[in-house]
Amino acid sequence: DGGITQSPKYLFRKEGQNVTLSCEQNLNHDAMYWYRQDPGQGLRLIYYSQIVNDFQKGDIAEGYSVSREKKESFPLTVTSAQKNPTAFYLCASSNPRAGDITEAFFGQGTRLTVV
Amino acid sequence: GENVEQHPSTLSVQEGDSAVIKCTYSDSASNYFPWYKQELGKGPQLIIDIRSNVGEKKDQRIAVTLNKTAKHFSLHITETQPEDSAVYFCAASLAGLTGGGNKLTFGTGTQLKVEL
Repeated sequence: DGGITQSPKYLFRKEGQNVTLSCEQNLNHDAMYWYRQDPGQGLRLIYYSQIVNDFQKGDIAEGYSVSREKKESFPLTVTSAQKNPTAFYLCASSNPRAGDITEAFFGQGTRLTVV
Repeated sequence: GENVEQHPSTLSVQEGDSAVIKCTYSDSASNYFPWYKQELGKGPQLIIDIRSNVGEKKDQRIAVTLNKTAKHFSLHITETQPEDSAVYFCAASLAGLTGGGNKLTFGTGTQLKVEL
């Protein structure tokens, strides 16, 4: 089955620790995205990558880092510099083309809780 | 940047009634407007989308309308069923251009409850 896999589903972190969230897709999509979702708020863009070895900051990149060494993988690291990391994190992918519009597919999310 | 506002934040309807959710956007250059349904603890799933060159699109009980002049778009669900209960998000993007990808700006969501 083609899709986006996020792991783990639930993650607990102690204050001051870095933690990495996994996102893998087998849709052969060029672009991948990380969004953060808080209760009562829409999804906010953290980072996105349009192609391997390239990524751009989104609207709320502070305290996060990413890498895109492989087309199918886009891990997100939540660093100790992120002041309020408890949230639901969603990874997405799409295959944008000049002159075309394609939908974004989402994973099932990772719920991160700082304890 | 783009800003999307969504109303209402909660909506309760009786089974069989219609539900309407409205969104406005700020960037007149936005050209792609998807709607996502999110069930508890899951990722959003696309239910319908519309491009800026179209005014209305239907898919069975779901329809979306777009008014580019007023910069607003709406989701219409007819003959609602209990399984329609979920959070619905609208979004807008300037898609189809190199360098833009599908960076979506989301509304804050509408919790739809369909009561028996």
